[in-house]
Formats: sequence, structure tokens, C-alpha cells
Amino acid sequence: NAGVTQTPKFQVLKTGQSMTLQCAQDMNHNSMYWYRQDPGMGLRLIYYSASEGTTDKGEVPNGYNVSRLNKREFSLRLESAAPSQTSVYFCASRGQLAKNIQYFGAGTRLSVL
Amino acid sequence: EDQVTQSPEALRLQEGESSSLNCSYTVSGLRGLFWYRQDPGKGPEFLFTLYSAGEEKEKERLKATLTKKESFLHITAPKPEDSATYLCAVQAAGSSNTGKLIFGQGTTLQVKP
Repeated sequence: NAGVTQTPKFQVLKTGQSMTLQCAQDMNHNSMYWYRQDPGMGLRLIYYSASEGTTDKGEVPNGYNVSRLNKREFSLRLESAAPSQTSVYFCASRGQLAKNIQYFGAGTRLSVL
Repeated sequence: EDQVTQSPEALRLQEGESSSLNCSYTVSGLRGLFWYRQDPGKGPEFLFTLYSAGEEKEKERLKATLTKKESFLHITAPKPEDSATYLCAVQAAGSSNTGKLIFGQGTTLQVKP
């Protein structure tokens, strides 16, 4: 009954370091999403994958890359972290097309010093 | 441009004091409006989906309504456990395949005993 699982839960990076945020879902969903959440800004879409094998940019893609490894897994990579990327990152997956409900993971809290 | 605005940003209520949260939206054809609840340090949790003006959904002390320009989340006789951030999101008609949502900034509700 895991739903959407994100790792790690917390991370501190130095400017210029790289890291990959992992996301996996066990609900057999086709679509997956990466968001960032900043105070007063709401959730902003970084990248999404409407189906296995496809990825597209969202509202704020600069500085990020993604990989849809298989139907279950969707990873977000920061190649050269910047302080502006300090945020809370959420992964989500979408259920049945007719209902279009997105289910979220618990988030990764990232600080870039 | 598709946009979602929530008000107020923060709301403090006494236990039992009913109130409403507002979500105003402009979108090129509404496919669905979603309400989520987010507890501190956790991911958003789905509450309701509304599809057309005049529709209402209820769950315990929460009732969501929809007009052509806005949605209200009515909280009747709230309890301290209702304290959370409530997020509103819309899906535009053109996003059926991608499932992309546009989120508002959220309303943080605090209910004091």
C-alpha cells in the first residue's frame, strides 16, 4: 500500500554538486510529474511524463533533467545545484484518465548551500 | 493565461467557527477543479474533484462548491484536526492527455481549541 515513494527525504548539497531524486509508484499509473513547492508560490510543475517513454517540460524546467526509467520510476536530476533550487520537491502520479486525480509522495526537502 | 488564485493566504478560526476558503480561476475551458489538503511536512492529499458549475461535494465537515469563475471550500464547525494548508488546482480542457494541473498558492488554516 505504498503509493508514491520518494527518496531521499532530506538532502543538503553544496553549490555545483549534482544529485538525483528518485520516485517510484506502485499503482500502475501511466503519467508521472515532478513539482517544486516554495513559500507563497504554490506547486509549480518542473517536468512530466504523460506515458512511459515520453517526457516534457513544465513551467520551471531550467536546471533540471528527468528520466522515465520504466512505468514505475521517474527520476529528477540536478546537474549543478544552485541555491535557487533550495525547495521541497514532490513527485506525483495520475490515476484513471476519467478521474485525473494526482497522487503525491511525501516530498524531498533539498537545501543548496 | 490560465491562472488560479486562492484567498485568504491564512485563516485562523476558533473551534466551531464556520468559514469558507475561496479559489478563483481563469482557464481556457475547465476540465476539472481539484481540492487537496496538505499537512506540514507531507505531500498533498486529494479531497474533491468538481467538474461543472453548480456541482457540490461533501466530506465530513468540508463542502466544496463550483461556479463558472470560482470554487469555495466551506468548513462547518471546524476542529483543530482540520488545521492544514488547502490547495486548489485546475485542469484545462486542452490538458486531457497530459493531466497537467495548475495550482493556487494555498490557504493555511489554523483552528484553535
